Amino acid sequence: DIQMTQSPSSLSASVGDRVTITCQASQGINNYLSWYQQKPGKAPKLLIYDASNLETGVPSRFSGSGSGTDFTFTISSLQPEDIATYYCHQYDIVPYTFGQGTKLEIK
Amino acid sequence: EVQLLESGGGLVQPGGSLRLSCAASGFTFSSYAMSWVRQAPGKGLEWVSAISASGASTYYADSVKGRFTISRDTSKNTLFLQMISLRAEDTAVYYCAKGGQYSSSWYYAWGQGTLVTVSS
Repeated sequence: DIQMTQSPSSLSASVGDRVTITCQASQGINNYLSWYQQKPGKAPKLLIYDASNLETGVPSRFSGSGSGTDFTFTISSLQPEDIATYYCHQYDIVPYTFGQGTKLEIK
Repeated sequence: EVQLLESGGGLVQPGGSLRLSCAASGFTFSSYAMSWVRQAPGKGLEWVSAISASGASTYYADSVKGRFTISRDTSKNTLFLQMISLRAEDTAVYYCAKGGQYSSSWYYAWGQGTLVTVSS
């Protein structure tokens, strides 16, 4: 199985900060990587697919990059409504797997 | 607008069975792969199973293989997850998710989830 190592597990930042989350796959995943935002008590929401493509309607402050095994998710200017847990997800090889999640808090 | 509505969750004893349903609307159900993803209380997301658009191919996590069966009824625009031999560690919110035209896909949309509790 492909292991997705996501870091950090939690992060505290101020409004306006640039926030970066990383996800490392245990083997290459052909950029078949997506990022989701989940707020408490809610279903996950798609933000990024194929490593760097922004889902329609998602604010441009969210972005993704990377290739092969190393991927990065960035919020360019943190907003209060971005408080959530973020997950990476590989869909290259079954069983598809998620990262452990990054809980983002406002400082 | 894509809508996914799960149902069928509840309290079941260890070793018991349950069948989850996911009613889909707002898109051509037969053209898209579908998946189930679960989340244990206070934990992260865990991929459970996927089915191709045609229903001909199915995929499972090792933790549920042999116990869970995914299926779809195109005439009713409904996805199912039949679960048998349930264990305490299967306790979770189960989400259905809409994939792409191919099974290897990100998830465009998610339902609100249905809670399965396995306990005596």
